[in-house]
Amino acid sequence: EAGVAQSPRYKIIEKRQSVAFWCNPISGHATLYWYQQILGQGPKLLIQFQNNGVVDDSQLPKDRFSAERLKGVDSTLKIQPAKLEDSAVYLCASSWDGTVNTEAFFGQGTRLTVV
Amino acid sequence: AQKITQTQPGMFVQEKEAVTLDCTYDTSDPSYGLFWYKQPSSGEMIFLIYQGSYDQQNATEGRYSLNFQKARKSANLVISASQLGDSAMYFCAMREGQTGANNLFFGTGTRLTVIP
Repeated sequence: EAGVAQSPRYKIIEKRQSVAFWCNPISGHATLYWYQQILGQGPKLLIQFQNNGVVDDSQLPKDRFSAERLKGVDSTLKIQPAKLEDSAVYLCASSWDGTVNTEAFFGQGTRLTVV
Repeated sequence: AQKITQTQPGMFVQEKEAVTLDCTYDTSDPSYGLFWYKQPSSGEMIFLIYQGSYDQQNATEGRYSLNFQKARKSANLVISASQLGDSAMYFCAMREGQTGANNLFFGTGTRLTVIP
């Protein structure tokens, strides 16, 4: 079974530029998450999708971050314009559903450096 | 308030010894799940073990076991017979079943170093 795929693995951009990350979840998984992990910290949830609908985006900085999940499968996360403090690893995860006992499977992440 | 607290930023253990990584949680939801993940230096998050709030017995998965003390709201991970490959960051996480959107909240992690 293929895991969660993310691309790119690494990205370096200048502040005020825009960037997009792509995630392909495990086939059949209804729930998709985007996390931001700043160096030395635990992952922080940015947005959670159930199929193609947003369940929770309360911690997404909506003035600069946006995300969509096309047809309930792939997802993209965009930052425009980027700030220095956006430097982090962006992790995508998926789970069969969002119920309490289902584990989330993670991709390898995209390491973003904003200079 | 922090939902997940991991008070040990770093831990050292001798190879082949057992080690306990602490995790306390805060919730008023009667239905919740607790998860432990391992994050090696390569960056991927690897699921290790799960404990449900209604589970009567402590979860075990190979060399991993979860010391679940519901009244104390703690869910400590025990790794037996440590191996060099166990050196990594370990994160405790919780999902609440009835409140919110079943988000998966993570703690700040504990860096485990296994000494040969």
